[in-house]
Amino acid sequence: DAGVTQSPTHLIKTRGQHVTLRCSPISGHKSVSWYQQVLGQGPQFIFQYYEKEERGRGNFPDRFSARQFPNYSSELNVNALLLGDSALYLCASSLPNRLAGNYEQYFGPGTRLTVT
Amino acid sequence: GQQLNQSPQSMFIQEGEDVSMNCTSSSIFNTWLWYKQDPGEGPVLLIALYKAGELTSNGRLTAQFGITRKDSFLNISASIPSDVGIYFCATNRDDKIIFGKGTRLHILP
Repeated sequence: DAGVTQSPTHLIKTRGQHVTLRCSPISGHKSVSWYQQVLGQGPQFIFQYYEKEERGRGNFPDRFSARQFPNYSSELNVNALLLGDSALYLCASSLPNRLAGNYEQYFGPGTRLTVT
Repeated sequence: GQQLNQSPQSMFIQEGEDVSMNCTSSSIFNTWLWYKQDPGEGPVLLIALYKAGELTSNGRLTAQFGITRKDSFLNISASIPSDVGIYFCATNRDDKIIFGKGTRLHILP
């Protein structure tokens, strides 16, 4: 079975540009979450989407936005890139089940974004 | 904000040794997750815990959900070279998943 896939794997942008990162969840998973991981830190939560609706949002500026499509794939968009946006961007999919307390997330390999 | 404190930050051990690491918080949580991340890859879920006092094993890995619900422990028995990597604890609150800063495990030849 295919795991979570992300594209592209690497990306180099300059300050002020815009970037779109893509994610396809595990088949059958309806929830997608995005994380930013800077070197030496744990992943920082950006967004979670479930059934195309934003379910959670982390402490990130409005330059960061996302959406989920009917096939449950997702895009993360970042506008007006800053040097500090350089990081590994991780996508994770899950079968959120609040009643069972199941928040296990399965991560993709990430997109390495470098802003120069 | 809510913070997960992982310790130690890094560890250097000999192959074959047992490893113990923990994660603490000042807040109470209902879920504890342990992940491992290899260089250039995304984190991989190792163990999920949902009940205070729960002890769960996955091969040589054992994790426990602290009885106070403010901490969790991960133990690795008889370490092998492929155990090298960064181990993260994580939890969830209000649909946000929070990660610790990780424990980096090094195995000496």
